[in-house]
Amino acid sequence: GAVVSQHPSWVICKSGTSVKIECRSLDFQATTMFWYRQFPKQSLMLMATSNEGSKATYEQGVEKDKFLINHASLTLSTLTVTSAHPEDSSFYICSASSGLNEKLFFGSGTQLSVL
Amino acid sequence: GQQVMQIPQYQHVQEGEDFTTYCNSSTTLSNIQWYKQRPGGHPVFLIQLVKSGEVKKQKRLTFQFGEAKKNSSLHITATQTTDVGTYFCAGASNTGKLIFGQGTTLQVKP
Repeated sequence: GAVVSQHPSWVICKSGTSVKIECRSLDFQATTMFWYRQFPKQSLMLMATSNEGSKATYEQGVEKDKFLINHASLTLSTLTVTSAHPEDSSFYICSASSGLNEKLFFGSGTQLSVL
Repeated sequence: GQQVMQIPQYQHVQEGEDFTTYCNSSTTLSNIQWYKQRPGGHPVFLIQLVKSGEVKKQKRLTFQFGEAKKNSSLHITATQTTDVGTYFCAGASNTGKLIFGQGTTLQVKP
């Protein structure tokens, strides 16, 4: 099956720093990538939809200036958590699909811990 | 907005017993997908249902999509310890956006 690579797997940073997470589709072109946030033992909360070559669409309540998304190519989307604070600590996971209503392939996730 | 409710939140079964998780959407879906997430892992796609009333089977797993395309279920026959994990349904609207249910965490006692 298709592979989505997400890096880093985990990151620990100081409060106030910015963290960039990369999501790559390795063997298919992903016109759309999705970024989710998952708290322990909870569901995946959609943060934003990343469209190649255009601005990301953010879900209600998600600060676009806080969570910067760039989808510069058909195989790469990045999520930057700017000026991270402890409440931003979470599991962030990306997914990609090859088209509308197609199944999602998930990255392995990034565990962010902000001290 | 669109909501997808999933029950139960947790289920403990004895190995060999059956298990069912139910998913209900507040709106009609274009399709519904099911994913499994093992502890510490990421969600893995299981199946997609598109047609009204559709039933699909994968070995001991049976997936159903309701006639109104607003509800779905996953049934596992004779559970095994390898079935342990959290099962998520995800409903797709006509815009293609997937909304995940809360998930059902299955524990299987050997």
